[in-house]
Amino acid sequence: KAGVTQTPRYLIKTRGQQVTLSCSPISGHRSVSWYQQTPGQGLQFLFEYFSETQRNKGNFPGRFSGRQFSNSRSEMNVSTLELGDSALYLCASSYGAEAYEQYFGPGTRLTVT
Amino acid sequence: GEDVEQSLFLSVREGDSSVINCTYTDSSSTYLYWYKQEPGAGLQLLTYIFSNMDMKQDQRLTVLLNKKDKHLSLRIADTQTGDSAIYFCAERLKGSSYKLIFGSGTRLLVRP
Repeated sequence: KAGVTQTPRYLIKTRGQQVTLSCSPISGHRSVSWYQQTPGQGLQFLFEYFSETQRNKGNFPGRFSGRQFSNSRSEMNVSTLELGDSALYLCASSYGAEAYEQYFGPGTRLTVT
Repeated sequence: GEDVEQSLFLSVREGDSSVINCTYTDSSSTYLYWYKQEPGAGLQLLTYIFSNMDMKQDQRLTVLLNKKDKHLSLRIADTQTGDSAIYFCAERLKGSSYKLIFGSGTRLLVRP
């Protein structure tokens, strides 16, 4: 079974631009979570989706948004990019509604210049 | 409150056992996890333990949970150079929060 895939793997953007990252979960998984990883703040939870519904959101500004499609694929969007948004963005998928086992993708490395 | 703490660095000799420790503050944790991250990669789920268990063994990995002291440890037997990586402890709180709260990670260096 293929793992979680994230595209693109690397991205360079300029301050003020917006970006969309994509995540395809493991086949059959319906829960998708997003995390931001930076050297200073570590791993921080962004949001979680199940069956196209956002069930939980972390403490990030409204510039960070996401959605999930009917095929469980998910996208996250960051508008008006800031230098501090440079990070590794990780997506994780889980099978059931309780999302006990979260399997992570390789991440998208975003650099904002 | 939500806080997970880990020591930053551990160095062991190949073939020895490694023990990585983690403390958490929220007594409502339901599941506790260990993830491994190699350079340039995502997180690999190694193992997890439900909060009503004391121990879980999975091949070379042994997880010990002391709920009274809110202490979690991961023991890796016969540590290999391929085990060199950053290890993250994470907790999941009671209730339908679905999020994992991660520690800052312990860098394990295995010396040949």
